[in-house]
Amino acid sequence: AAGVIQSPRHLIKEKRETATLKCYPIPRHDTVYWYQQGPGQDPQFLISFYEKMQSDKGSIPDRFSAQQFSDYHSELNMSSLELGDSALYFCASSGYRRQGGYEQYFGPGTRLTVT
Amino acid sequence: GESVGLHLPTLSVQEGDNSIINCAYSNSASDYFIWYKQESGKGPQFIIDIRSNMDKRQGQRVTVLLNKTVKHLSLQIAATQPGDSAVYFCAENRGATNKLIFGTGTLLAVQP
Repeated sequence: AAGVIQSPRHLIKEKRETATLKCYPIPRHDTVYWYQQGPGQDPQFLISFYEKMQSDKGSIPDRFSAQQFSDYHSELNMSSLELGDSALYFCASSGYRRQGGYEQYFGPGTRLTVT
Repeated sequence: GESVGLHLPTLSVQEGDNSIINCAYSNSASDYFIWYKQESGKGPQFIIDIRSNMDKRQGQRVTVLLNKTVKHLSLQIAATQPGDSAVYFCAENRGATNKLIFGTGTLLAVQP
C-alpha cells in the first residue's frame, strides 16, 4: 500500500539558511500534519492542513510557514535556520475511515541538521 | 497545561515475557487515545487506539486499557519479541482537527 512520502530524507543546512521540506500524503487523504521531534524527545505538533486550508497551529516558530497544494502535497518552509531547529520532521496524513476515526499515518521523516 | 506523559522511560524485558507500558494524561475531556511504536530512524507506527467509551481494546498480541477515573492508559504486549524493541508513545487525539499530543516515550528493550 502507498505510504506517506517525505523528501528529502536528510538535509544539512547552515545557520541563517532556508530549507523546504516536502510531504506527499497517502492518495485520497485530505489532511496533512507536521510534527517536529528533537533528539530524545516526543513529536511536537507544528501545523495541519485540511483541504488545502490551515486547520490548526501548534508550536511553530514565525520563521516557519507551510501550505498544502491543490494535489494535497504539503511543504514546510523554514527560514533563518537556527541550531535548535535540528530535528526530525514528520509529516502525517489522514483521511476518513469507514470504521470511524481519522488515523494518522506517518512518513519516514526528514532529518534536518543545522550547522 | 495540556500534557500526556509516561511513568517509565525505559523497560527491559525478556523475550517471551509480557510487557506493560504505562501512560498518564491530564485532560479529562480527551476522548481518543492512540499508541504508536517508533523504531530508530523511522516515523511513528500506529499500534492500537481506544475511545473513551471503552475501557479495553484488543489487537494482535496487544491490549490497551483505559482508566478514565485516574486518567491512565496502558499498553500490554503479550509474548514480547525482539522485533518489539522500540520507543512506544501514547498520544492523545486532540480537538476537532485531530492533532496528536504525544507523551514522553518509553524505550522497550527486549533481551533474548
